[in-house]
Amino acid sequence: GQQVMQIPQYQHVQEGEDFTTYCNSSTTLSNIQWYKQRPGGHPVFLIQLVKSGEVKKQKRLTFQFGEAKKNSSLHITATQTTDVGTYFCAVRNTGGFKTIFGAGTRLFVKA
Amino acid sequence: DSGVTQTPKHLITATGQRVTLRCSPRSGDLSVYWYQQSLDQGLQFLIQYYNGEERAKGNILERFSAQQFPDLHSELNLSSLELGDSALYFCASSDLRGGQETQYFGPGTRLLVL
Repeated sequence: GQQVMQIPQYQHVQEGEDFTTYCNSSTTLSNIQWYKQRPGGHPVFLIQLVKSGEVKKQKRLTFQFGEAKKNSSLHITATQTTDVGTYFCAVRNTGGFKTIFGAGTRLFVKA
Repeated sequence: DSGVTQTPKHLITATGQRVTLRCSPRSGDLSVYWYQQSLDQGLQFLIQYYNGEERAKGNILERFSAQQFPDLHSELNLSSLELGDSALYFCASSDLRGGQETQYFGPGTRLLVL
């Protein structure tokens, strides 16, 4: 079935450093979504990417969708302690309605 | 606050028991999703309902069942509970605007099976 690999599993950074998490699929995706879950919280929708090669920015966050629509990345510039949490990508299974989440990348930011 | 409510917040029960988790979606949302989040398993999709009908099924055990009622609230029933069922259970509702479906997650129910 549809799977999406997300790496890395964990990332420790010093405040001010950049951070990137990647999602990879073996099949072409119709779209990909990104969510953030703060410690003790629930996932919160960040963004959806649909077009090949699409790049979207939200302040210090940059989201990219690969040209082949098989991979995506989330990049945070100059991390802050408020960025801590787990970042998930989510895709739909091919031709269906199931939502499949990546395993998530847990970000730790040291002040 | 996402607008999705879940009750109870916490639940402690014993193996072999049965529990019911409740979810009220955001006003106007027709879709409800259920997810299980364990420490080592990430977010696992269980089941989705749309306007009262089951739409998609994920890795939901036969001991688990769900339904969505005419008022669109949903319940997840977990029976013959095992220690491994201890997890955070999230409900999400979604809307479809401009071709984009966004899921809004509730605060979750933390289930502990002893």
